Amino acid sequence: KQEVTQIPAALSVPEGENLVLNCSFTDSAIYNLQWFRQDPGKGLTSLLLIQSSQREQTSGRLNASLDKSSGRSTLYIAASQPGDSATYLCAGTNSGYALNFGKGTSLLVTP
Amino acid sequence: EAGVAQSPRYKIIEKRQSVAFWCNPISGHATLYWYQQILGQGPKLLIQFQNNGVVDDSQLPKDRFSAERLKGVDSTLKIQPAKLEDSAVYLCASSLRGGYPLLETQYFGPGTRLLVL
Repeated sequence: KQEVTQIPAALSVPEGENLVLNCSFTDSAIYNLQWFRQDPGKGLTSLLLIQSSQREQTSGRLNASLDKSSGRSTLYIAASQPGDSATYLCAGTNSGYALNFGKGTSLLVTP
Repeated sequence: EAGVAQSPRYKIIEKRQSVAFWCNPISGHATLYWYQQILGQGPKLLIQFQNNGVVDDSQLPKDRFSAERLKGVDSTLKIQPAKLEDSAVYLCASSLRGGYPLLETQYFGPGTRLLVL
């Protein structure tokens, strides 16, 4: 089974900083990796999906990379804003059906 | 486009009682998922439906949990009897096709927060 780990568990940064969230996975035979955002009391919102044949995906201020050989993915957030405060979850699929989630990184961006 | 709808949003019950959650996926989405998210953890897949057939229920505690998806649209998840450790957020998600391997985005509902006392 795919094991997904996210470091750090929590992060606090001042507004305007660029930041990187890390995700590592145990099985390099990964089909895709997704990054989600979860706001308190709400469901998950998909941010970026990287298929195994891709190395990165970009959406606005977000950039996600995937390195299968090292078992790592990073989510880069440029010019952080207070509205970016949320929990960020990564999830990988390698068994074909299920998403295997990490525990998430709780991000706080202070004005 | 309307999102995934879930109800109720909150439920408080005593242990050994039964409870049911309802989910309406995005129109036209063939695949529906139920996840359990315990506080401080990532979501864990309980069951996946493709249309009205079960694709994966390997992590569903079948002695107390059951789920159905009638006519390949709405779905209900039931717990009977509930235990203290069932306290969690139950998330429903849907995707257009699903399939093997999973290569598409899942869209999540707001979840039902269950507290078992």
